[in-house]
Amino acid sequence: EIVLTQSPTTMAASPGEKVTLTCLASSSVNYIYWYQQKSSASPKLLIYYTSSLASGVPDRFSGSGSGTSYSLTISSMEAEDAAIYYCLQLTSTPPTFGAGTKLELK
Amino acid sequence: EVQLVESGGGLVQPGRSLKLSCAASGFTFSNYYMAWVRQAPTKGLEWVASITNSGGSTYYRDSVKGRFTISRDNAKSTLYLQMDSLRSEDTATYYCTRDFDYWGQGVMVTVSS
Repeated sequence: EIVLTQSPTTMAASPGEKVTLTCLASSSVNYIYWYQQKSSASPKLLIYYTSSLASGVPDRFSGSGSGTSYSLTISSMEAEDAAIYYCLQLTSTPPTFGAGTKLELK
Repeated sequence: EVQLVESGGGLVQPGRSLKLSCAASGFTFSNYYMAWVRQAPTKGLEWVASITNSGGSTYYRDSVKGRFTISRDNAKSTLYLQMDSLRSEDTATYYCTRDFDYWGQGVMVTVSS
């Protein structure tokens, strides 16, 4: 199974700061999905097919990458962006998630 | 508006069974691949099972193979997860998802004596 390693595990960012989260795959994948999860809410899709913005998601979120290295960028941190972010690969079965990055507001 | 509403969770003893349902609305259910994903308390997300739009093919993570069965009723726009021989490690919130884009609110399953 493909293992996704997210980094950092935890980080804090100030309002207005640029944030970059990383997802590394143990084998090459065709694309990555990114999710945001707040408190005990269900995951919310942010980015699909590596760089496509899901409906209703602010354009301060963007995704990039290829092969084994992918990233999620928040161009300017806002208070509401404090959450846990997960990446997901669907290239091979079983689908696997990264362990998550906890993003806090500084 | 796409809606996925899970039900059927609860407290169950080890070795017993439980059946989850996910009622879908706001889209043509029969056109979509569906899946169950779970999240143990304070842990990350874990894929459990998937089913193709027709129901003709199903897929499971190794730890639930032979114990869980995913199915669907396209006429009722409903997804199911039959969980047998439950173990304490199956304790989690179970989410229904439409092809990993839309997710339900989740339903809690607690396996404990």
